[in-house]
Amino acid sequence: SQKIEQNSEALNIQEGKTATLTCNYTNYSPAYLQWYRQDPGRGPVFLLLIRENEKEKRKERLKVTFDTTLKQSLFHITASQPADSATYLCALVGYGQNFVFGPGTRLSVLP
Amino acid sequence: DGGITQSPKYLFRKEGQNVTLSCEQNLNHDAMYWYRQDPGQGLRLIYYSQIVNDFQKGDIAEGYSVSREKKESFPLTVTSAQKNPTAFYLCATRFLSSNQPQHFGDGTRLSIL
Repeated sequence: SQKIEQNSEALNIQEGKTATLTCNYTNYSPAYLQWYRQDPGRGPVFLLLIRENEKEKRKERLKVTFDTTLKQSLFHITASQPADSATYLCALVGYGQNFVFGPGTRLSVLP
Repeated sequence: DGGITQSPKYLFRKEGQNVTLSCEQNLNHDAMYWYRQDPGQGLRLIYYSQIVNDFQKGDIAEGYSVSREKKESFPLTVTSAQKNPTAFYLCATRFLSSNQPQHFGDGTRLSIL
């Protein structure tokens, strides 16, 4: 069955450092992958999308990589700030437009 | 997301009672989804609808029911058959074109009295 793992349930880093979050998957061939941010008590908010034939996408301080051979996506936040503290979800999207969400990683950026 | 309204924010259910969660959107999105979120788990799909008067079961549809009588509305009923309904319920919408993300409401937290 399809399985998505995100590197750890929680990640703590110091302000100003780069946060790296991992999304690994098995038994799936996604057409593309999306990353979302979720704050406590709120719904997820879309951040970035990367297609299966793309290696890297950037948006301001965010960078996403996608390696279909390793079945892995990395999500980087550079120059992290306390306001970046949230839970980050990856979502795989198949060719039939079906979404599968990972369990999320809770990021805490410490001042 | 300002275009998707979920109500109520908090809901309490008594044993044996059905409750209905509301989801309304003004984004003119084609598809609407209901997810359940439990601590430490990913979003699990309950039901989805791509067109009015049609909907499909997701991975955990047992104990739930939906309707899609209008494009803007996709209410979810949690029936008494759902034995473990305590969770955070999220409604999402999207255009059906490829690469479109999902847009989420702010959720309803359901608890059992």
